[in-house]
Amino acid sequence: GESVGLHLPTLSVQEGDNSIINCAYSNSASDYFIWYKQESGKGPQFIIDIRSNMDKRQGQRVTVLLNKTVKHLSLQIAATQPGDSAVYFCAEPGGYSGGGADGLTFGKGTHLIIQP
Amino acid sequence: DSGVTQTPKHLITATGQRVTLRCSPRSGDLSVYWYQQSLDQGLQFLIHYYNGEERAKGNILERFSAQQFPDLHSELNLSSLELGDSALYFCASSSGLAGGLQETQYFGPGTRLLVL
Repeated sequence: GESVGLHLPTLSVQEGDNSIINCAYSNSASDYFIWYKQESGKGPQFIIDIRSNMDKRQGQRVTVLLNKTVKHLSLQIAATQPGDSAVYFCAEPGGYSGGGADGLTFGKGTHLIIQP
Repeated sequence: DSGVTQTPKHLITATGQRVTLRCSPRSGDLSVYWYQQSLDQGLQFLIHYYNGEERAKGNILERFSAQQFPDLHSELNLSSLELGDSALYFCASSSGLAGGLQETQYFGPGTRLLVL
C-alpha cells in the first residue's frame, strides 16, 4: 500500500533558526497531504495541508512545499521557538486495504528539538 | 484545544479484559475516526464512522469494535485485551460535509491504555 516516510528521525536547530522537515511519499496518485505536530502527552495538532494542484502553501511561520516530480514534501518553520519542539508527522489519506480512503496514513515522525 | 474530547485519559487493565473508550467530536462534526499509536507501529487508522454508520475500516483487529451514537459521540470497545494492545488511542473528527473532498481531521488528547 501507500507509504509516507520521513528522512530523519531527529532534527536539532538553534532557537531563531529556520527548520526544514522532509517527507517522501510513494503513491504518485496522492492528492492531499497534511502536516501534524504532536507535543509530548498530546494528540496530533493540524498545522497545514496542501493539495496536489499546488506547489507551495504558506501559513503562519510555516510553509509546505510539494514536489510531485520526486514525490517529496517539506515543512519549513521560520524563526523556530521553544514551543516548536515536538514530533512532526506528514500524513496522507488512504493506504488501508479495508477501503479506508479517509483514514490517514502517517509517516514515522521527526522529532524537532529547539536548542536555546 | 481541538474541541475533541476523550475519556478516560488513562486506563490500566489486565489481559483478557474489555474496555470502552469514549470520544466526543467537535460540535457539528459528523465524522469520527479512531487511531492507535504505539511505539512499534506508529499512528495507525482503525475505523471511521459518519453520522452513526461505519464508513471505512483500517487496521482494526476483530477483537475491537466501535459505534457512533445519535448524539454523534463514539465508543471504541477493546476486548480480550493483550499486552500488545497497550498504546495511545486517539479519536479525530471532521465535519463530514465536504462531499468526498478530504477534510481536516482534528484529534483529541487521547486515552493511554496499559494492559498488564
